[in-house]
Amino acid sequence: QKEVEQNSGPLSVPEGAIASLNCTYSDRGSQSFFWYRQYSGKSPELIMSIYSNGDKEDGRFTAQLNKASQYVSLLIRDSQPSDSATYLCAVNRNNRLAFGKGNQVVVIP
Amino acid sequence: DGGITQSPKYLFRKEGQNVTLSCEQNLNHDAMYWYRQDPGQGLRLIYYSQIVNDFQKGDIAEGYSVSREKKESFPLTVTSAQKNPTAFYLCASSIVTGNYGYTFGSGTRLTVV
Repeated sequence: QKEVEQNSGPLSVPEGAIASLNCTYSDRGSQSFFWYRQYSGKSPELIMSIYSNGDKEDGRFTAQLNKASQYVSLLIRDSQPSDSATYLCAVNRNNRLAFGKGNQVVVIP
Repeated sequence: DGGITQSPKYLFRKEGQNVTLSCEQNLNHDAMYWYRQDPGQGLRLIYYSQIVNDFQKGDIAEGYSVSREKKESFPLTVTSAQKNPTAFYLCASSIVTGNYGYTFGSGTRLTVV
């Protein structure tokens, strides 16, 4: 089992809809979790961090963490064309981040 | 402005040649990291350093070398032993605890010619 898995293929959503991304991780001892946004040809940019079970909201973004089930999710509400990017899930293990392969999101105007 | 500077933005390497990628940060972060990104592969850790004059291998260190002589600098050398070096290289830094995520540089795109 890979440390961080993001299995969904490219996600196409209409403008204004909700985009939902999921991530699972293998190390039950992980304590901090992050979502990065990466535009094509650019470096990753941190958009959300979450450390405890439940939901954390920041603007149009909501991160959800369930440590018992070992998954993290990201919701993007009112999706905009500028949200079209690859979203990387990252999990802290021993002060190093392990990254998933990412999920591409395409927002259709 | 504080941040991480990677140079050059694009680099071309001939077969059998060593090349060095620069990474400098003025965030006063203790920890620095090098990742490699290939299409469809996500980010893979090459080397990391949590303190000056000390560094550890990541998951794919073969064919690479690093140094950490100053807190601000963490250069990566891609040696001729790295048989498939064409990739996007990302340098990052963090407060050593790692609980605040990483700040990334803008990346260096290396191509073998």
